[in-house]
Amino acid sequence: DTAVSQTPKYLVTQMGNDKSIKCEQNLGHDTMYWYKQDSKKFLKIMFSYNNKELIINETVPNRFSPKSPDKAHLNLHINSLELGDSAVYFCASSQVASGSFYEQYFGPGTRLTVT
Amino acid sequence: KQEVTQIPAALSVPEGENLVLNCSFTDSAIYNLQWFRQDPGKGLTSLLLIQSSQREQTSGRLNASLDKSSGRSTLYIAASQPGDSATYLCAVRNYGQNFVFGPGTRLSVLP
Repeated sequence: DTAVSQTPKYLVTQMGNDKSIKCEQNLGHDTMYWYKQDSKKFLKIMFSYNNKELIINETVPNRFSPKSPDKAHLNLHINSLELGDSAVYFCASSQVASGSFYEQYFGPGTRLTVT
Repeated sequence: KQEVTQIPAALSVPEGENLVLNCSFTDSAIYNLQWFRQDPGKGLTSLLLIQSSQREQTSGRLNASLDKSSGRSTLYIAASQPGDSATYLCAVRNYGQNFVFGPGTRLSVLP
């Protein structure tokens, strides 16, 4: 069984469009994350979210927004896509309850190409 | 602000060699440190997680050490195999903050 899954795996779209990437985890974790990996392969956190708190990296444009319909899902919505948004986006999850160790598990990634 | 660096950026070794990958961080008040591998076009696979109170963790041929006072962690790979070829990333978490990733070391193990 896949622990953290993302759809779609590839997404090609035009500038100005609005798109969403879905993420689901079946690990029972209470915190989920979105990361962006740019063309230089550098991985940067965008958001972390549990049912109590959303932490946003201050460098993330407000065109990006996470939506969590329930504890097992954290979707990424992107409005007015720009060329610079082209990257691989990774979803991850971890358990942050008392006594846990914050070990993160990653999804396979979604390669977004904006033309 | 936490900054994480990894040396070397790339490494090529013949099969069977033991090797060490290095990770350095600027803020030593960390909660934990995690090593990952990333295969081309794939997601990240967790290798080892070291808590701030621990000095090392071992899993099979992998051993990760942590020296908080000097801001360093090393990942030791014994008897390297071609299947170990990947990019290795370390990520550091400070209290109350998210993980900060290093740029990675790209490892090639030649048969």
